[in-house]
Amino acid sequence: ETGVTQSPTHLIKTRGQQVTLRCSSQSGHNTVSWYQQALGQGPQFIFQYYREEENGRGNFPPRFSGLQFPNYSSELNVNALELDDSALYLCASYHREGNTIYFGEGSWLTVV
Amino acid sequence: GDSVTQMEGPVTLSEEACLTINCTYTATGYPSLFWYVQYPGEGLQLLLKATKADDKGSNKGFEATYRKETTSFHLEKGSVQVSDSAVYFCALTMDSNYQLIWGAGTKLIIKP
Repeated sequence: ETGVTQSPTHLIKTRGQQVTLRCSSQSGHNTVSWYQQALGQGPQFIFQYYREEENGRGNFPPRFSGLQFPNYSSELNVNALELDDSALYLCASYHREGNTIYFGEGSWLTVV
Repeated sequence: GDSVTQMEGPVTLSEEACLTINCTYTATGYPSLFWYVQYPGEGLQLLLKATKADDKGSNKGFEATYRKETTSFHLEKGSVQVSDSAVYFCALTMDSNYQLIWGAGTKLIIKP
């Protein structure tokens, strides 16, 4: 049990549509990051939030955006979906007491 | 920049064989080191971690020792089981930002 929950677990979208993925974590998880993992590859860092502010971003275009809320939940939004956006999207939450980064189960996005 | 290099897979072993998956890193400071495991169709699970030199992380029979002199964090297990079949990722993070930097992953296949 990681204390990090993602939803939905699977979804299918059409090219050009928009998607919102959600992540919730427990008290004490004050830093949240999102990663994209294409099939057969390692995770790629999208961005990170700390105290509701973005404080790090990987090599992803602005159509990837996010939010972090005071209740430790967060969202990943992707606009103008492309076929290459099909991947597993992982939310990772840093737990300061355990000095450990925990992952949710991920959201599988398929763009057709 | 900071990076992680791990041995390419797949690694195929027979049940009860000894396992070593090599991982080396390059970092400008003193990173924390992690091994994550990903079972087929699932998200990432923290397997073990080490936060300073000479620390040994261990879990489920797996071990890895943080070797600063060789900048390595090799994953070892004395006797593997079929259920250990998965993809294993070595990763590091600098304390300043908690962004995980990943190796490419090593697929482990254990045959009965």
